[in-house]
Amino acid sequence: DGGITQSPKYLFRKEGQNVTLSCEQNLNHDAMYWYRQDPGQGLRLIYYSQIVNDFQKGDIAEGYSVSREKKESFPLTVTSAQKNPTAFYLCASKSRLGGTQPDTQYFGPGTRLTVL
Amino acid sequence: AQSVTQPDIHITVSEGASLELRCNYSYGATPYLFWYVQSPGQGLQLLLKYFSGDTLVQGIKGFEAEFKRSQSSFNLRKPSVHWSDAAEYFCAVGAGDYKLSFGAGTTVTVRA
Repeated sequence: DGGITQSPKYLFRKEGQNVTLSCEQNLNHDAMYWYRQDPGQGLRLIYYSQIVNDFQKGDIAEGYSVSREKKESFPLTVTSAQKNPTAFYLCASKSRLGGTQPDTQYFGPGTRLTVL
Repeated sequence: AQSVTQPDIHITVSEGASLELRCNYSYGATPYLFWYVQSPGQGLQLLLKYFSGDTLVQGIKGFEAEFKRSQSSFNLRKPSVHWSDAAEYFCAVGAGDYKLSFGAGTTVTVRA
């Protein structure tokens, strides 16, 4: 089945530690996204990537880093510089059309990160 | 930059009653509009989208939405709510740069 997988589903981290969240898609989508979700704030964009080996900062990139070495993978690292990392993290992907239509983003099941 | 407002944080509706969720957007050009639904602890599922054409859009699970340019709105409706419709609903607007802006969400509670 085609889709987006995120692992792990739950993640616990001690303060001061870096942690990496996995996102894999087998939809052959070019673009991938990372969002952070906090109660009452909707989704906020952290980073996005439209092609392999290229990515852009979103609205709240500070304290996060990403890589895009393969089309199907877009891991997110939450660094110790992120002041309040406890949140629900969602990965999404979409096909990249030749024009400027945004088309549809499809979402993974999410990873809940808790800092102890 | 585009933005979305969902004025209702929480709505409670009886099973079998109709439901309408409000969404207002701010964008200078013709927007691309989406409604997503999220069950607790899950990812987002697309309900419907509007790119152009007919302003009344049909989606999955019996939902529909109407784009009203004059009111900058894209309200979601369902004629008869089922208990399984209890979830959080997000409206989103897209522009030509592949990014989406999301509203804060509306939580729907369905009472028996």
